[in-house]
Amino acid sequence: AQTVTQSQPEMSVQEAETVTLSCTYDTSENNYYLFWYKQPPSRQMILVIRQEAYKQQNATENRFSVNFQKAAKSFSLKISDSQLGDTAMYFCAFMNPPTGANSKLTFGKGITLSVRP
Amino acid sequence: ETGVTQSPTHLIKTRGQQVTLRCSSQSGHNTVSWYQQALGQGPQFIFQYYREEENGRGNFPPRFSGLQFPNYSSELNVNALELDDSALYLCASSLDRREAFFGQGTRLTVV
Repeated sequence: AQTVTQSQPEMSVQEAETVTLSCTYDTSENNYYLFWYKQPPSRQMILVIRQEAYKQQNATENRFSVNFQKAAKSFSLKISDSQLGDTAMYFCAFMNPPTGANSKLTFGKGITLSVRP
Repeated sequence: ETGVTQSPTHLIKTRGQQVTLRCSSQSGHNTVSWYQQALGQGPQFIFQYYREEENGRGNFPPRFSGLQFPNYSSELNVNALELDDSALYLCASSLDRREAFFGQGTRLTVV
């Protein structure tokens, strides 16, 4: 069974600064996807960024980038130029198989990020 | 907005009752997955429907059941409600079981 671990329950960052959220996972599979989702107080889970395990290049989406270390099974999210709207819970998630039957998401417990003005 | 809508947004039920939650998937999507998110936790996979058939199930008892309709909308039914069923229930739709887009969830409180 796959597991996803987010060991930091809370983090705080000053507006405009950079913050990194950590995530580790455990799997024996070789083909999978990793995701970071954001859940603001509105409750809707919003996809921030996706990484395919077969890609060596780290994914980037505007101010969001990941550091994917496949051998170490580590998948951290870096948020640059933090904005007040980034305040939310952030979940790391794993999907295997990436498509097809039973392609479910396995989530970590999440981390609460607060951006201070 | 993802185009995935869930109803109702909140409801309160009594222990032992039955509840039905509904999800309209994003246009063009043929897969719906349901997740249970307890307070302060990450979502847990309940089951997935692909083209009207159950396509995978998590570690939930049989009193959690579902349906997917020809228009790919879906229902989650929970029988014999227990206090521990109190949670946020999230629906996610995708095309061919790929990237999931979530609705805003239904907050269920069992008293």
